[in-house]
Amino acid sequence: DTGVSQDPRHKITKRGQNVTFRCDPISEHNRLYWYRQTLGQGPEFLTYFQNEAQLEKSRLLSDRFSAERPKGSFSTLEIQRTEQGDSAMYLCASSRPPSHEQFFGPGTRLTVL
Amino acid sequence: SQQGEEDPQALSIQEGENATMNCSYKTSINNLQWYRQNSGRGLVHLILIRSNEREKHSGRLRVTLDTSKKSSSLLITASRAADTASYFCATALLIQGAQKLVFGQGTRLTINP
Repeated sequence: DTGVSQDPRHKITKRGQNVTFRCDPISEHNRLYWYRQTLGQGPEFLTYFQNEAQLEKSRLLSDRFSAERPKGSFSTLEIQRTEQGDSAMYLCASSRPPSHEQFFGPGTRLTVL
Repeated sequence: SQQGEEDPQALSIQEGENATMNCSYKTSINNLQWYRQNSGRGLVHLILIRSNEREKHSGRLRVTLDTSKKSSSLLITASRAADTASYFCATALLIQGAQKLVFGQGTRLTINP
């Protein structure tokens, strides 16, 4: 059973650059979530997809952030014009009804210099 | 913003002792979940307790929920060095047919051999 995978695992970028992360959920999981975790804090919800539809977005998701799940399988999270405050671990999770258990990937650690 | 607070923020005990972590939250919930996170890694689901349940067991884990006090506790019995990790409680809020997890700040548990 393949778990949730995320790519890349680490990303270092300069302020102002655009970055894109990918998440591959567990197959047959139609629900996909993105969270952000800063050092010493718990994860914070960013957005949620059911199949290809983005159904919920947090106010944390500024207009520099965009997420897609075009075919209802993998998802991408893009951050444009990165800022130092974007430095964090970006976590992806997936689930399948009726279970409410979310399975998390290993995360992508972003460092903005 | 975080939904709840966890107490203590850090806990260090000897192997074999029991570890108790507490979580408080603010709003009504559908269920409450506990997750473990090893340093720099993704989160692993430990246990889910529904709002109409008061206690649940899973192996060496015991979770209680008091909805009148909006609090939960996680007890790990007979701790092992491998239990060293951060532990997060997460309240589940319904969104568009799924659940958004709202995490506390976590308790950093260290088991000394």
